[in-house]
Amino acid sequence: AQKVTQAQTEISVVEKEDVTLDCVYETRDTTYYLFWYKQPPSGELVFLIRRNSFDEQNEISGRYSWNFQKSTSSFNFTITASQVVDSAVYFCALSEVIIQGAQKLVFGQGTRLTINP
Amino acid sequence: KAGVTQTPRYLIKTRGQQVTLSCSPISGHRSVSWYQQTPGQGLQFLFEYFSETQRNKGNFPGRFSGRQFSNSRSEMNVSTLELGDSALYLCASSLARGGGIQETQYFGPGTRLLVL
Repeated sequence: AQKVTQAQTEISVVEKEDVTLDCVYETRDTTYYLFWYKQPPSGELVFLIRRNSFDEQNEISGRYSWNFQKSTSSFNFTITASQVVDSAVYFCALSEVIIQGAQKLVFGQGTRLTINP
Repeated sequence: KAGVTQTPRYLIKTRGQQVTLSCSPISGHRSVSWYQQTPGQGLQFLFEYFSETQRNKGNFPGRFSGRQFSNSRSEMNVSTLELGDSALYLCASSLARGGGIQETQYFGPGTRLLVL
């Protein structure tokens, strides 16, 4: 069975610090997709990034960056120069293929990030 | 483009009642998935619909059911509500173009259900 582990339940940092959220996954599939979502207090899951298993290039989007390493089955997320608005729960997810085309996201337990002013 | 919408946003029911939640996907999206989020179990997959057909169902009892209409809108129903059904129910839509591509699922704001 596929599994996603986010070992950090809660992280609290002071504004402008860099912070890395860890994500480790388990899968037997050779083709899979990984995602990160942000959940602010309003509850909606906001999509941040999608990465397929064949693309190990790291990605940077503004203050956000992602490090994908197949060798360690990790897909870590770093926020540089954190801001109070980054406070939220962040979820890492793995896309499990059930049948051709069907999707099912397997989520980690989430990391609650608090940025203090 | 409008995002995924869910109605109602909040709901209070009593044990034994039944409830229907509605989800309108992003225009052009053909797949709709439902997830349940609770503090104890986290985010769990309920089911996925595509072209009015349920393609997969998570590990939930038969009290949880759903359907999809020809315009891709979806509803989920929970019958004989239990206290443990109190949760945030999230709907997500995706393009579902097929070809082995795993599309991004875009989520709605959710429906918070409280069972008393």
